[in-house]
Amino acid sequence: GEDVEQSLFLSVREGDSSVINCTYTDSSSTYLYWYKQEPGAGLQLLTYIFSNMDMKQDQRLTVLLNKKDKHLSLRIADTQTGDSAIYFCAESGSSASKIIFGSGTRLSIRP
Amino acid sequence: DTGVSQDPRHKITKRGQNVTFRCDPISEHNRLYWYRQTLGQGPEFLTYFQNEAQLEKSRLLSDRFSAERPKGSFSTLEIQRTEQGDSAMYLCASSPAGYEQFFGPGTRLTVL
Repeated sequence: GEDVEQSLFLSVREGDSSVINCTYTDSSSTYLYWYKQEPGAGLQLLTYIFSNMDMKQDQRLTVLLNKKDKHLSLRIADTQTGDSAIYFCAESGSSASKIIFGSGTRLSIRP
Repeated sequence: DTGVSQDPRHKITKRGQNVTFRCDPISEHNRLYWYRQTLGQGPEFLTYFQNEAQLEKSRLLSDRFSAERPKGSFSTLEIQRTEQGDSAMYLCASSPAGYEQFFGPGTRLTVL
């Protein structure tokens, strides 16, 4: 069935780059997403990529997609304390009738 | 504020009671979704509407759960005979075209 997996924790030093990795199983995934959730807050759509792309850049965020290996990554350049949150990797099919989420990666920033 | 809104934000109920949650999507978004999120997990899909038609339901949506979107605008999610396992955050999202889903703040349900 459909599954999205990601590591549970990542700790980085302020100012360094953060790389959050994700793998998914559904070869028919059409849209791949990164959502951010801060404590007590809802989910914020950070960025998404279509499966026919292999990279997308948006300011400090870079998304890389390896469709052959079903691997998605999110790179956050110059990580700041405000980037502390849980980051969810997710995917959906062409109809986008539902999004399948991973369990989230908690990013913590150390000084 | 023109985002997705949900009401109430918190609900505490006793086991066996019925509860109803409301979601108001972003104006003119014809797609509306319900998800459930438990502690330490990502959201899990429950159901999806396009306008007033409920097009997909997850197997997670037992017969105690029902959702409606009567006029294609706001939606309600009702849980009958609540159980402690229903305690979770219930999230609503809306979308103009499907692939961009915008989430509301959620309703946190605690069943005692």
